[in-house]
This record gives sequence, structure tokens and C-alpha cells, in this order.
Amino acid sequence: AQSVSQHNHHVILSEAASLELGCNYSYGGTVNLFWYVQYPGQHLQLLLKYFSGDPLVKGIKGFEAEFIKSKFSFNLRKPSVQWSDTAEYFCAVNPNSGNTPLVFGKGTRLSVIA
Amino acid sequence: DAGVTQSPTHLIKTRGQHVTLRCSPISGHKSVSWYQQVLGQGPQFIFQYYEKEERGRGNFPDRFSARQFPNYSSELNVNALLLGDSALYLCASSLWQGSGEKLFFGSGTQLSVL
Repeated sequence: AQSVSQHNHHVILSEAASLELGCNYSYGGTVNLFWYVQYPGQHLQLLLKYFSGDPLVKGIKGFEAEFIKSKFSFNLRKPSVQWSDTAEYFCAVNPNSGNTPLVFGKGTRLSVIA
Repeated sequence: DAGVTQSPTHLIKTRGQHVTLRCSPISGHKSVSWYQQVLGQGPQFIFQYYEKEERGRGNFPDRFSARQFPNYSSELNVNALLLGDSALYLCASSLWQGSGEKLFFGSGTQLSVL
């Protein structure tokens, strides 16, 4: 079965610092990759997704992620974080075939301090 | 437009009881999925329903069941509650079934089993 690993449980950054959250998955075939975000008190929402094509994907609010197939990775990046980016970030994956559910990582809590 | 709505938002039950959680998908969405999110973990897939039929089931015991109604709303039922069932239960809807579909999540039902 596929699994998703998020390396950092809690990341604390100062405003304007650069962000990179790690995500690795285990699945040998073609996959769809997602990053979801959960702001405090809000529901999970899609940040960005990769299905195929350009491995550098741009999402909302200045976030981007790079799919590196050889490393089974899909790391999330942002050049300069803001206080409003404080949230929980979840990487998720499902095989690009049939009707398979999303498998989520455990999440990374990001705290941005002024 | 209304998003995915779940009721109730919070629920307290005792061991052995049963519970019914409800979900209304976004208008026009035909697929509903249920996820369990235990504190400190990512969401874990329980069920997917599409056009009123079960299309996927996660690794959960038979105490968990669900159904989807003609208006595409859904119920998740859990019988013989255990302390370990305490979690946030998330409902997500999408237009279609399929591995690449974007999921829209509700705010969840927080279930506490005492």
C-alpha cells in the first residue's frame, strides 16, 4: 500500500523566511500529488496539485511544489512566508488509475512569527 | 455557493453507543468521501460513495457503515463506539469519482467518546 511521509512535524519560521516542507511517497507507478492546507478553525482546502506535465507546480498564495520522480518527492516551497501562512499542511497522493482514495501524510504544522 | 456542510459540529458519546454523522455535498457533486482524522495524524480514508453506491472502503471495522441518498447527501454510522473512535470526521465531496478529482472538505464533526 502507498504511504506518505512528511519529515517535519512542526516548523517555526520568522516572517519573510523561505519555506520548504518535505514530502515523500511510496508507490512505484504514476501518481497524482496534492498539498492541502488547514488554516486555524477552517476546513482543509487544496493548495496545489500535480497530475502530469511540468513538474514545478504553482498554487495559490505564492506556494509551489516540485515533483521529483526519481526521489519520490513532492516538496512544498514558498520564497517568503507571511504570518497568515500559519496552518497545518498535508501532502497527499493517490495512484493515477481507477478510483483510489487519497492517502495523506501526518501533516506539518507551520508557525510563522512576526 | 454553500460548501460541504456537516452536522453536528461536535458530539459527545459514551462507549458502546452508536452515532450518525451527516454530510451535504456541494450542489452538483455526486461523490462523497469520509475520512477520520485522529489528533496529530493526517486524514485516513473510510468510505467513498458515488451515485449512491459504495465505491471504496478503507481499513476500518464493520462497525463503520455509510450510505448515500438520492440527493447525494450521506450519513456515516459508527456502532459500538470505542474510545479510539474519538476523532474529527471529515466529509469531502467531488463532482465525480476518480483518482484525480479535487476534493472539497467540510469542517468536520468532532466526536468525543468517553
